[in-house]
Amino acid sequence: DGGITQSPKYLFRKEGQNVTLSCEQNLNHDAMYWYRQDPGQGLRLIYYSQIVNDFQKGDIAEGYSVSREKKESFPLTVTSAQKNPTAFYLCASSILAIRGDTQYFGPGTRLTVL
Amino acid sequence: ELKVEQNPLFLSMQEGKNYTIYCNYSTTSDRLYWYRQDPGKSLESLFVLLSNGAVKQEGRLMASLDTKARLSTLHITAAVHDLSATYFCAVVGVGGGADGLTFGKGTHLIIQP
Repeated sequence: DGGITQSPKYLFRKEGQNVTLSCEQNLNHDAMYWYRQDPGQGLRLIYYSQIVNDFQKGDIAEGYSVSREKKESFPLTVTSAQKNPTAFYLCASSILAIRGDTQYFGPGTRLTVL
Repeated sequence: ELKVEQNPLFLSMQEGKNYTIYCNYSTTSDRLYWYRQDPGKSLESLFVLLSNGAVKQEGRLMASLDTKARLSTLHITAAVHDLSATYFCAVVGVGGGADGLTFGKGTHLIIQP
């Protein structure tokens, strides 16, 4: 089955720790994205990547880092510099070549800071 | 800066009724998306609207786009309980084919029997 997988589903972090959220897709999509969702809010863009070894900051990149070493993978690291990391994190991917293609979302990772 | 506003943010309605959710955006956009989210779940794509006057329908949901007014609508016909969810519209700026989406805050829809 083609799709986007995220792991873990739930993640607990102590203050001061870095944690890495995994995102993998087997859809052969070019672009991948990370969004953050807070309760009762829409999604906000953290980082996106159009091609391997290249990525761009989104609206709320401070306190986060990413890498894109493989087309299939786009992990997100939440660093200790992120002051309020508790949120629902969603990864998405899309085909760049098709203008009308949508962004497909993974199941999400719910991060809680203890 | 691209801004997206949805209204209403919360809507409670009875089964069998019709209603419309509105999505306004602040600058010219290349395309507009509608997504559905069930509680605690991820987002499910509903519609992609690419041009002025575009209309798409799936079951009891119909979405339209007016790029001149910078307005999209999601119309619900003869609502049923299964349509209870949060609905988001999202927009891509005209210069960003691969840029991320800018989302509205969502419309939390409850359909009561």
